[in-house]
Amino acid sequence: NAGVTQTPKFQVLKTGQSMTLQCAQDMNHEYMSWYRQDPGMGLRLIHYSVGAGITDQGEVPNGYNVSRSTTEDFPLRLLSAAPSQTSVYFCASSPLQGRKKLFFGSGTQLSVL
Amino acid sequence: AQTVTQSQPEMSVQEAETVTLSCTYDTSESDYYLFWYKQPPSRQMILVIRQEAYKQQNATENRFSVNFQKAAKSFSLKISDSQLGDAAMYFCAYRRENFGNEKLTFGTGTRLTIIP
Repeated sequence: NAGVTQTPKFQVLKTGQSMTLQCAQDMNHEYMSWYRQDPGMGLRLIHYSVGAGITDQGEVPNGYNVSRSTTEDFPLRLLSAAPSQTSVYFCASSPLQGRKKLFFGSGTQLSVL
Repeated sequence: AQTVTQSQPEMSVQEAETVTLSCTYDTSESDYYLFWYKQPPSRQMILVIRQEAYKQQNATENRFSVNFQKAAKSFSLKISDSQLGDAAMYFCAYRRENFGNEKLTFGTGTRLTIIP
């Protein structure tokens, strides 16, 4: 049971480039989400999804795009990377019933030059 | 909007001693959850302890316990018998009791150093 898997672990981009951060979970969780972590600011929610075909914006959605075509996968797309998007990105998932513990991936360190 | 405040950016404690990390939050909701997460240098987010707001009894997990004061909107974490492996960033987090939105609101974190 792999849990929540994020790829890549590290990435360097140039300003204006696009890329996709991958997130996959094998726990059949309905809820998936993306957070970014910046020094001194804790973690902030970017986008989330409560099931395949359903996504919604979080606290800091600008510059990011998501889709949820399957229960397992929830990719995060940076359309045109900016230095302000330099951050650590976490994917997290949880069931919508029961104790609803949030399971985190191991994070992606992204640097935009 | 809900906010979570951790007023101690850094704390240190002698190994085997007890330390308390502070957290306050602001909400108009009556039903919610509070969490403490640990983030070691590996970057992994590890759930330490969880408290349901409707429960009056403070949660405990081995050496970790909380002091939940609902009226004061305070949720502190006590670590007893501190160990070197406890060194990490600790985040306090809040979540509403709201089906379909599992959003966590995090504080800015407290970096805990353990002195051998």
